[in-house]
Amino acid sequence: DAGVIQSPRHEVTEMGQEVTLRCKPISGHNSLFWYRQTMMRGLELLIYFNNNVPIDDSGMPEDRFSAKMPNASFSTLKIQPSEPRDSAVYFCASSSVGAAFFGQGTRLTVV
Amino acid sequence: GQSLEQPSEVTAVEGAIVQINCTYQTSGFYGLSWYQQHDGGAPTFLSYNALDGLEETGRFSSFLSRSDSYGYLLLQELQMKDSASYFCAVRDGRADKLIFGTGTRLQVFP
Repeated sequence: DAGVIQSPRHEVTEMGQEVTLRCKPISGHNSLFWYRQTMMRGLELLIYFNNNVPIDDSGMPEDRFSAKMPNASFSTLKIQPSEPRDSAVYFCASSSVGAAFFGQGTRLTVV
Repeated sequence: GQSLEQPSEVTAVEGAIVQINCTYQTSGFYGLSWYQQHDGGAPTFLSYNALDGLEETGRFSSFLSRSDSYGYLLLQELQMKDSASYFCAVRDGRADKLIFGTGTRLQVFP
């Protein structure tokens, strides 16, 4: 397996634009997590899916953020409209039991 | 809610042994895991403890005491490449979500 695949690796966008981050989890994993990492706040859990169903989105900062998992092999995190304070590295991770495996992340810069 | 505490920074020399502690509070507990993250990289899985005791994987070992809500990661025969951030994480039994600590930055000196 190629591991968790995220795209794009880097994204630079202007304030107010829509941003969509993509994730392909490891086949057979039933849990998928979206995290945001910044120096100030560390690794924050944004939303968690189990068997494609959103279980806990209490970490989503505000209504500008939304996430979907239409099937077991694909998830998206969308920010609309984006703001400079959204600049961070966004990680997707998938898990079955115990261990979680992370993608390489998307480094988002909003100018 | 959930919270995890670990030291912010640890320093050591090559060949030494380092222990990184983690205490946690969670409404339900499913397991404690450890991750390593090098600067600019993604967190990578190191170890997982669901039951009390010591798990050994090469130079790294992880310990869990559920009654004390405490665990640690033990790194032996330190190498320069071990310089990284180390995160403990708990799987919340009720919500089954994975929550990370703030991370411990380990610097290994020659």
